Amino acid sequence: GENVEQHPSTLSVQEGDSAVIKCTYSDSASNYFPWYKQELGKRPQLIIDIRSNVGEKKDQRIAVTLNKTAKHFSLHITETQPEDSAVYFCAAKDAGGTSYGKLTFGQGTILTVHP
Amino acid sequence: NAGVTQTPKFQVLKTGQSMTLQCAQDMNHEYMSWYRQDPGMGLRLIHYSVGAGITDQGEVPNGYNVSRSTTEDFPLRLLSAAPSQTSVYFCASSTTRYEQYFGPGTRLTVT
Repeated sequence: GENVEQHPSTLSVQEGDSAVIKCTYSDSASNYFPWYKQELGKRPQLIIDIRSNVGEKKDQRIAVTLNKTAKHFSLHITETQPEDSAVYFCAAKDAGGTSYGKLTFGQGTILTVHP
Repeated sequence: NAGVTQTPKFQVLKTGQSMTLQCAQDMNHEYMSWYRQDPGMGLRLIHYSVGAGITDQGEVPNGYNVSRSTTEDFPLRLLSAAPSQTSVYFCASSTTRYEQYFGPGTRLTVT
């Protein structure tokens, strides 16, 4: 089955700096890669996603890049703010065929943005 | 729309007890799933369903049962609770093969 590795496990930055979180996946059939943000005691919230026919996607201060050949994808947050502090999860999914597939998550990254 | 709802929010069980975690969605989503979240391990898929009457196992199905008699509801049953099932449980739903939306979670402690 799919295996998703996420690094780093913790990341501390100063407000205004950029933050990068990286994930690798094992199943070349995976073609959908979402990122979730989870604040303390809350549910995971989808913040951005990318499909395998696209190399990069941006939404204001966040962006995701995908390298299918190397089987890795990354989350980039620019101009970080204290409210970006949370746990971030990457995931991978095979959404092809007639099956909805299964979403496999990375272990999470605790991002702390210091004012 | 209420989105995805879960009850209860908190539950304490004794070893060997059984209970059902409730999940409901009012968005007419076909796909529903259950995850457990443990510290340092991300979210792991327990069971999922692609429509009423259709369920399948995820990564960690042992000790849990599910059924899907309606599109709206997807309950998770713990047959005989064990301390290893202490976790936070999230239900999620989706109308497509892509985005999944999570419920608020149930924090379960088994003593």
